[in-house]
Amino acid sequence: GIQVEQSPPDLILQEGANSTLRCNFSDSVNNLQWFHQNPWGQLINLFYIPSGTKQNGRLSATTVATERYSLLYISSSQTTDSGVYFCAVGPVTGGGNKLTFGTGTQLKVEL
Amino acid sequence: EPEVTQTPSHQVTQMGQEVILRCVPISNHLYFYWYRQILGQKVEFLVSFYNNEISEKSEIFDDQFSVERPDGSNFTLKIRSTKLEDSAMYFCASSDSRGNTIYFGEGSWLTVV
Repeated sequence: GIQVEQSPPDLILQEGANSTLRCNFSDSVNNLQWFHQNPWGQLINLFYIPSGTKQNGRLSATTVATERYSLLYISSSQTTDSGVYFCAVGPVTGGGNKLTFGTGTQLKVEL
Repeated sequence: EPEVTQTPSHQVTQMGQEVILRCVPISNHLYFYWYRQILGQKVEFLVSFYNNEISEKSEIFDDQFSVERPDGSNFTLKIRSTKLEDSAMYFCASSDSRGNTIYFGEGSWLTVV
């Protein structure tokens, strides 16, 4: 099946700093979503972005489908941004309609 | 914004007992899913359901698991005889079509003791 790798696995930032999270995947996708898992375990949809660039406030994401990677940018980070960020992909072929998740990036934003 | 709702939010059960986790997907969605996440690990796919039947299932989804859409709104996951290793967060999800955004519920924590 499709492989999804995220980097870095852990990240500690000072409040106000910017960061870039990366997601590499091993096959063509028709679905790519970024999630934020908060300390209560809830998965919050950030972006649906199988290709192109989107922005939502301090967050933006870019997927370069031909090169099989996606980036999530967090600007002016806040303590509420802490948590785990997951990339999840749905392959074009052979994967049904399911999402395969990466192992996540654990982000901690400190004052 | 429409959302996927799950009940219960947390359940503690004795090993060997049956558990039913309930979900109400977004009303116009056609694809339904269950995922699980063991504490500290990544989210794993269990099963997808479309047109009143299972469309795909993972190796985790063995004979102890079953899903049902008993009426037009609910989608359930049953674990027949729970094991300690079934302790996890279970997420229900739904989407309106293949390849579109999949929306997740808030999860049901299952603790097997």
